[in-house]
Formats: sequence, structure tokens, C-alpha cells
Amino acid sequence: GAVVSQHPSWVICKSGTSVKIECRSLDFQATTMFWYRQFPKQSLMLMATSNEGSKATYEQGVEKDKFLINHASLTLSTLTVTSAHPEDSSFYICSAVPSGRIIRNEQFFGPGTRLTVL
Amino acid sequence: QKEVEQDPGPLSVPEGAIVSLNCTYSNSAFQYFMWYRQYSRKGPELLMYTYSSGNKEDGRFTAQVDKSSKYISLFIRDSQPSDSATYLCAMSARSNDMRFGAGTRLTVKP
Repeated sequence: GAVVSQHPSWVICKSGTSVKIECRSLDFQATTMFWYRQFPKQSLMLMATSNEGSKATYEQGVEKDKFLINHASLTLSTLTVTSAHPEDSSFYICSAVPSGRIIRNEQFFGPGTRLTVL
Repeated sequence: QKEVEQDPGPLSVPEGAIVSLNCTYSNSAFQYFMWYRQYSRKGPELLMYTYSSGNKEDGRFTAQVDKSSKYISLFIRDSQPSDSATYLCAMSARSNDMRFGAGTRLTVKP
């Protein structure tokens, strides 16, 4: 149980285009999902907290107009990287917390999406 | 000073060795402590979850939390080549504030 999927697993796009990444909790409902970015050999950096039915909360330094987050249902959150640039190339990972376990902050991670912007 | 400090390694041990991985932290409000394993180009996988101080054992893995010293450990007994991965410690005081260590790269040589 507690499986989280991401799609796509990798994507290559041209500079200036937008890319959408999906995060799905497959066997549980998640009121809260998180989006992280991970550069090579570095730890996870929290970008934003996605709450079903409300606006996402962004970490300091993360541009909300560039990284659009939508959490339209209890099993799906999407991250759209708008007007992507080469410096946005990174490994994007989502996590989901089963509804009712938010106090424990027990996050289950997706497999990640590798974005390369040319 | 970072909230969570973790030696990035790399750490290389022979098969069968006992591995000790550690993290220190500065925020005394942290009360939920986790260890994740991350294989290359994959998402982190939750290994151990501990609330407050104490020990927790699961198979070959033992997690220890010493809140008085702000120090947590993960021990791996009878290490296997398949244990080769990056191990991330993580901790939080409440919801929505998880902080990760830098991760320790472990290699278990056959």
C-alpha cells in the first residue's frame, strides 16, 4: 500500500515551453501533497505544499507564477513548470500524506520526474 | 548552522558489516524522525519512522533517537550489496515542515 506515481518519469523540452508533471496517490487519499526538487548529489528541497481544494503554499524563493500547482482531487496534484529554462533542469519529486496521518507527516514519495530543458 | 546535519560520505563497507548512519539536528521541537532510502534516479522510500526518543527495530534495520543529544542513528546489520543507496534522515515538529539531511551515500561491496 501507499503507492505514489508520477508521470512522466522523464521529459526533455525546449527552453520557453511549459511542462506538466502529475503526481497520483494510487491506493490512498491524500489531502496534502508536497513537491520537491533535487539537484545531483544534493538532498531534497521543498518547493511547495499542495492542499486539495485550496491554493498551494510556496517556500521562500520559489516563484509561484513559474511553478503552478493544482491539487484538484484527493489523489492528484500537478506541477506545471512554465516558460522553462535550462536552470530548471532537475529531478522533481512529489510526496503524499495519507489523509488522517498529517500530524505524523508520514510522506510517501513518488519515483520522481527528471526534467531536462534544452 | 543547518537544521539537520548529515555526513554525505561516501561510505564504503564490505558485505556483512554493520553500518551506522547518523544525523544531528538543532531544532528541539522535532519529534517525528524518519529514515529514507533512495536509489539512484528514484524517489525516496520510507524505511523507518520513529516518534520521540527510543529505539525501533525492523528486520536488519534499527533506528535510534536521542532527543537529549539531538542525535539520531540508523543501524544496518549484515549489510548487503542491495543496501547500496543514499540514506536520508528526515524530521519534523508537526505537519508540513519536514526537514531532510543531505543524505549519506552507502556502498556495500560484495
